Amino acid sequence: DVKVTQSSRYLVKRTGEKVFLECVQDMDHENMFWYRQDPGLGLRLIYFSYDVKMKEKGDIPEGYSVSREKKERFSLILESASTNQTSMYLCASRKQGAWEQFFGPGTRLTVL
Amino acid sequence: ILNVEQSPQSLHVQEGDSTNFTCSFPSSNFYALHWYRWETAKSPEALFVMTLNGDEKKKGRISATLNTKEGYSYLYIKGSQPEDSATYLCALPNNAGNMLTFGGGTRLMVKP
Repeated sequence: DVKVTQSSRYLVKRTGEKVFLECVQDMDHENMFWYRQDPGLGLRLIYFSYDVKMKEKGDIPEGYSVSREKKERFSLILESASTNQTSMYLCASRKQGAWEQFFGPGTRLTVL
Repeated sequence: ILNVEQSPQSLHVQEGDSTNFTCSFPSSNFYALHWYRWETAKSPEALFVMTLNGDEKKKGRISATLNTKEGYSYLYIKGSQPEDSATYLCALPNNAGNMLTFGGGTRLMVKP
């Protein structure tokens, strides 16, 4: 069974803290994605990685950075968390050339 | 950024009702359309990918149609069941085919 896991289901942080969200996939997929989901806005792409150490900005990269040192792991970093980054964060992976993305269960982040 | 719109935003139906909702997108430069289902507390799961005008896909009681000339896709659920309660998302890839733009989703609630 294919699996994408995220390090936390719920996370509460304070404004200004550095936050790491981790995502691991066990399917040997080349592509990995970070999205955020806010009510009425669907999923919005933050960053995309098409291979190890390779990344591209999505639609809303401001305030975020990413790291992909190993194929199975894709990290989302909030350098200095702000209240407007309170959201549901979803990680996904996809085999290069395939259409289907496989999603993790999400991390609900609250920034106080 | 592609403009992908879904309507209605939410829908309440009784068990046994059939229902449908819409995904609208720009008809120019169409490449493919994806449908995902996202149940509460679970990960989004792929339903269909559609590429050709007039495409019709079916999975159990769920089916989808595609009209690329006028820029819309319909998702139909026949005889809704409580387990169909979920948010249904449509998404279109960019020209490179490597990133998806999602619509805002339709949240379906089926009352027993």
